[in-house]
Amino acid sequence: KAGVTQTPRYLIKTRGQQVTLSCSPISGHRSVSWYQQTPGQGLQFLFEYFSETQRNKGNFPGRFSGRQFSNSRSEMNVSTLELGDSALYLCASSLGVGTVSGNTIYFGEGSWLTVV
Amino acid sequence: AQTVTQSQPEMSVQEAETVTLSCTYDTSESDYYLFWYKQPPSRQMILVIRQEAYKQQNATENRFSVNFQKAAKSFSLKISDSQLGDAAMYFCAYKSGGSNYKLTFGKGTLLTVNP
Repeated sequence: KAGVTQTPRYLIKTRGQQVTLSCSPISGHRSVSWYQQTPGQGLQFLFEYFSETQRNKGNFPGRFSGRQFSNSRSEMNVSTLELGDSALYLCASSLGVGTVSGNTIYFGEGSWLTVV
Repeated sequence: AQTVTQSQPEMSVQEAETVTLSCTYDTSESDYYLFWYKQPPSRQMILVIRQEAYKQQNATENRFSVNFQKAAKSFSLKISDSQLGDAAMYFCAYKSGGSNYKLTFGKGTLLTVNP
């Protein structure tokens, strides 16, 4: 069974540009969530989608947005990039239902974003 | 809001020895899950072990086990027979029950395994 797949793995953008990151969850998983990891702030929750609806949102500015498609694949977008957006962006998936296994969250390898 | 605290920024252990990583959390909820994740230099977050709050029995996965003390809100990870491949950053994480699929992470413990 394939794991969580994120693309692209590495990218460099210029301040002011926008970026779109993609995530394909584990087959059968309907919940997809995104995290930002930086040395200073650690791991911070961005948002979570389930069946194309955003269920939970972290404390990030509106420049950070996401969506989920009917096949559960998800994208996150960051507009008007700032230097501080340089980070590892991790996507995670889960069955999203109220069982033990359904509450277990699995991560992809991450997308490294550098803003110059 | 829930918080997770890992008080040991760095730990080291000799190969084949046992090491325990500490984690405490703060919550007023009764339904929740706790996880330990390992992040090696590749930076992929790998699930090590999970614990349901309603289960009194401590979870075990091969060489990894936890000591879950619900009243004390403590969730430590014990690694037995440490191997060089265990060297990584370890994160303790909390998840509420229900439909809130947000993980709250501690700041991590960097584990070094010495040959």
